[in-house]
Amino acid sequence: QLQLQESGPGLVQPSETLSLTCSVSGGSISSSSYYLGWIRQPPGKGLEWIGSIHYSGTTYYNPSLESRVTISVDTSKKQLSLKLNSVTATDTAVYFCAGDTTVWFRFDYWAQGTQVTVPS
Amino acid sequence: QSALTQPASVSGSPGQSITISCTGTSTDVGAYNSVSWYQQHPGKAPKLMVYDVSDRPSRISNRFSGSKSGNTASLTISGLQAEDEAHYYCSSHTTSSRLVFGGGTKLTVL
Repeated sequence: QLQLQESGPGLVQPSETLSLTCSVSGGSISSSSYYLGWIRQPPGKGLEWIGSIHYSGTTYYNPSLESRVTISVDTSKKQLSLKLNSVTATDTAVYFCAGDTTVWFRFDYWAQGTQVTVPS
Repeated sequence: QSALTQPASVSGSPGQSITISCTGTSTDVGAYNSVSWYQQHPGKAPKLMVYDVSDRPSRISNRFSGSKSGNTASLTISGLQAEDEAHYYCSSHTTSSRLVFGGGTKLTVL
C-alpha cells in the first residue's frame, strides 16, 4: 500500500517553473506494478489530469499541457517529480500526486494535495 | 469544458437511491471498460469508489455500483447516507492514451 506526500513551493511567479516532489513510501516504485501521476484542481473547479508515469520511464501526458510538463521518477530516492514551465495565473491549483498498482489511468492512492498559487 | 459530461448536481433523501451519469464518446467511455468514479469531500483528496465500470475496491461499500451503456456510464448510490454528500467525478482513458475527467457532480443529501 502506497503512502504519498507532496512537497514544493506554494507560490510561483509568472513565467517561472513550478516544481513539485512526491515522496513515496509503503511500497517500491521500482515495482513493475506501480504507476504514479499528477492531477490538479483549480479553485472551485474539477479535476484535471496532468500526466502519469511508470517507473520504467514510460510517460503519458495531457496534450493540453504536454509542451510545458515534465514528469519523472527517481527510484533510488522514491520520489516522483513534476515540472511545469512558463506558468501563469491559470496554473493556480491544488496539485495532487496519486498512484495505482495496476494501470496508469486510475488512482487508488492519493496524497493530500498541495496548493500552488501563481499571482496574476 | 470537460471531456466527459456530468450533471452539475443531484440530490436525494436518506435511504433513497440516486444515479449520476457520465457521458463521453466512442473514443473514451464507449471505447473501453475503464471508467472510474471518485468521491471528493471538501478540502480532501479524491477517493476511488468504482473502477473498470463496475468493480469496487474492497474497502468500498456495496451501496456504490457502476454500469455503462454505450457512451454513458453511471454511478448509483443506494441507501443514501449523510456522509455520501460530496462531489463525484468520473474518468476514462481514451483511444489516444489520454485520461479525461468529468466536470463533477455535487451530491446533496436532503
